[in-house]
Amino acid sequence: QKEVEQNSGPLSVPEGAIASLNCTYSDRGSQSFFWYRQYSGKSPELIMSIYSNGDKEDGRFTAQLNKASQYVSLLIRDSQPSDSATYLCAVKGRGSTLGRLYFGRGTQLTVWP
Amino acid sequence: DAGVTQSPTHLIKTRGQQVTLRCSPKSGHDTVSWYQQALGQGPQFIFQYYEEEERQRGNFPDRFSGHQFPNYSSELNVNALLLGDSALYLCASSHPQIYNEQFFGPGTRLTVL
Repeated sequence: QKEVEQNSGPLSVPEGAIASLNCTYSDRGSQSFFWYRQYSGKSPELIMSIYSNGDKEDGRFTAQLNKASQYVSLLIRDSQPSDSATYLCAVKGRGSTLGRLYFGRGTQLTVWP
Repeated sequence: DAGVTQSPTHLIKTRGQQVTLRCSPKSGHDTVSWYQQALGQGPQFIFQYYEEEERQRGNFPDRFSGHQFPNYSSELNVNALLLGDSALYLCASSHPQIYNEQFFGPGTRLTVL
């Protein structure tokens, strides 16, 4: 059973701060990682994907991957109240489970003005 | 460019009944995956359809079945509903060449009384 673990939070940061969201995964051979944002009552929205070790930046979002430590994180710079949501970490299966996504429980982020 | 669509938005059923949920993938996508998201949890993979066949299945009982049509749209059927089937049901579609990324529809909120 592949596992994806996230800090359940809630995480609360002031507007303009950096929010750091963390995720660990159990399958050392995993290759594809995703961050989804889910507003309350809505469906998950893909915001970042990362496949190689290191950092990947997209606007205010930076995803970081360390396969040796089985760790992936999401940094949100200059956090805004509109970033308040639950952030889901997802890891793509491989081999016999190729194609499915394994999700963590999500970290609830609140950005206060 | 229309995204993933799902119907209905909300559904209320009683125990023992059967339900059918529908999904149309994003234009150009040919693979459809279904997930169940209970309150406060991450999405759980139900199954995936490609070329009208079930390609993978998660740990869900046979009461959960599906179908994919030639136009790539898909249905999820659940028989003999239980109270525990109450959840948000999410459909995700993916592109044949950009296989890794899955995009979710708005979901169907199912309540079983």
